[in-house]
Amino acid sequence: DAKTTQPNSMESNEEEPVHLPCNHSTISGTDYIHWYRQLPSQGPEYVIHGLTSNVNNRMASLAIAEDRKSSTLILHRATLRDAAVYYCILRDVFDDYKLSFGAGTTVTVRA
Amino acid sequence: DAGVTQSPTHLIKTRGQQVTLRCSPKSGHDTVSWYQQALGQGPQFIFQYYEEEERQRGNFPDRFSGHQFPNYSSELNVNALLLGDSALYLCASSLWRDNQPQHFGDGTRLSIL
Repeated sequence: DAKTTQPNSMESNEEEPVHLPCNHSTISGTDYIHWYRQLPSQGPEYVIHGLTSNVNNRMASLAIAEDRKSSTLILHRATLRDAAVYYCILRDVFDDYKLSFGAGTTVTVRA
Repeated sequence: DAGVTQSPTHLIKTRGQQVTLRCSPKSGHDTVSWYQQALGQGPQFIFQYYEEEERQRGNFPDRFSGHQFPNYSSELNVNALLLGDSALYLCASSLWRDNQPQHFGDGTRLSIL
């Protein structure tokens, strides 16, 4: 499984942006970058995914480096509800349909 | 539109017993995956079912087995329970061979005494 590296924890103030980094130096050409988050006492929740180009949706933006060896999940205005563990996951589009979770980044949002 | 539902929400068993956990996938999904999440860790993939067959398996012993029914629902069975099997068991559904997101239920919390 291709590996990702994330910081253990990050803190943010409410209504400020949050930038969550993820390193994946061994990424292959067919690996998509997926982000999920897990709120307390809930199952993981899909956030966003991308291959090469930056992606935006209603929840977040995903910025992917030109060499694809790193990416950043951007929460534009953090709310208390965004406090969760965020997982960066590589998933091979052709032959790997499982999700390989690491330890993720625990995000704390201060009111 | 109901999402992924799992039952029961909590379960207490003793060592050596057997347990069956159940999952109903999101409407329209045909693939079910099971994950084990120990306290303070990320979920670990157990196996994935499609067309009533196990298609991919993680690094779990054969005490862990599963089944998928014609209506796409699924069961996870664990035999000869060990203390280390205490965890949150998560079910996720998706479409087969599709890179779209997996949808997770809120899990079954299994405690082994």
